Amino acid sequence: SQQGEEDPQALSIQEGENATMNCSYKTSINNLQWYRQNSGRGLVHLILIRSNEREKHSGRLRVTLDTSKKSSSLLITASRAADTASYFCATRSGGSNYKLTFGKGTLLTVNP
Amino acid sequence: DTAVSQTPKYLVTQMGNDKSIKCEQNLGHDTMYWYKQDSKKFLKIMFSYNNKELIINETVPNRFSPKSPDKAHLNLHINSLELGDSAVYFCASSMAGGNLETQYFGPGTRLLVL
Repeated sequence: SQQGEEDPQALSIQEGENATMNCSYKTSINNLQWYRQNSGRGLVHLILIRSNEREKHSGRLRVTLDTSKKSSSLLITASRAADTASYFCATRSGGSNYKLTFGKGTLLTVNP
Repeated sequence: DTAVSQTPKYLVTQMGNDKSIKCEQNLGHDTMYWYKQDSKKFLKIMFSYNNKELIINETVPNRFSPKSPDKAHLNLHINSLELGDSAVYFCASSMAGGNLETQYFGPGTRLLVL
């Protein structure tokens, strides 16, 4: 079954605005990661948050994790046209050190 | 320097043919993966190798056979290609042994089966 589910499926905003994407998952996890995929490219790791962490920052990215609700959010502040991409959450579950389960992604379009 | 590279980038072939995709990583990682991304962008793991040993096989048809000659390479051979095999195939690598590992992806191989 699908582990990570991103919401919304698509998001269109203006440059300078903030973008928030959500991810829900079903089973307990060791960590949750966010990846970005530009059109026609491979995935690029953005940020990782461990199950015992609640919030993490990296540049214009802010990730939160609520293990009680089995959900995470990715906030991109002051968005730029170059942020246009698909964003995926991926979870690593206990006892499965080698496997990441990806969600279906959110397509973010930042209009100049 | 390309961290994870795949060849070919594009592959167009007829149904029933056999084809191979190659992957190499120069990151010194010990774990490599193959993912399939369908037309709706859903990314699903197919195989994972750690130190040349198969550790994940996600109910992939027997027509798909991965081979890892060494830790830096993981190739994917597909027999008797079917229309449903059309997708983008991504190779990735990571360093196993902890909760902090992240995966590094190749640029993808776009396979179109006609």
